[in-house]
Amino acid sequence: GENVEQHPSTLSVQEGDSAVIKCTYSDSASNYFPWYKQELGKRPQLIIDIRSNVGEKKDQRIAVTLNKTAKHFSLHITETQPEDSAVYFCAAAEFSGGYNKLIFGAGTRLAVHP
Amino acid sequence: IAGITQAPTSQILAAGRRMTLRCTQDMRHNAMYWYRQDLGLGLRLIHYSNTAGTTGKGEVPDGYSVSRANTDDFPLTLASAVPSQTSVYFCASRQGDGELFFGEGSRLTVL
Repeated sequence: GENVEQHPSTLSVQEGDSAVIKCTYSDSASNYFPWYKQELGKRPQLIIDIRSNVGEKKDQRIAVTLNKTAKHFSLHITETQPEDSAVYFCAAAEFSGGYNKLIFGAGTRLAVHP
Repeated sequence: IAGITQAPTSQILAAGRRMTLRCTQDMRHNAMYWYRQDLGLGLRLIHYSNTAGTTGKGEVPDGYSVSRANTDDFPLTLASAVPSQTSVYFCASRQGDGELFFGEGSRLTVL
């Protein structure tokens, strides 16, 4: 089955700096890669996703890149703000036959210091 | 407000007791999932259901069972709770390859 590894487990940056979180996956058939943000005591919520037919996707200060050959994908946050502080999870899934299962990484705790 | 409702939000349970965590969604999503969240281990898939009447095992299914009698409900049962099942449990749902939506979570403590 799919296995997703996520690094680093914790990340501390100064406000305004960039943050990068990296994930690798094992199943070459995976074709959907979302990123979730979880604030303290809250549910995880989708912030951006990318599918295997695309190499990069941006949404304002957030971008995701995908390297299918190397089986890794990354989340990039630019101009970080204190409200970006949260736990971020990557996930991978193979979508086939109308269904899939999302397997998550262990999470990265991002702290943005003013 | 449309979404996923989980109950209870929090529960303390004696080891050996039976417990059912309830999950209901009103978005008519075909697929539903149960994850457990433990510090340093992320979100691990327990069981899933692609459509009403079908279920499947995830990464950590032992000690848990599920049923999917209809589209809206997906209860998770711990037949005989053990302390290692202390965790935060999230129910989730999605339609096709769309966004995965999570419930608010159920915090379970097994003593």
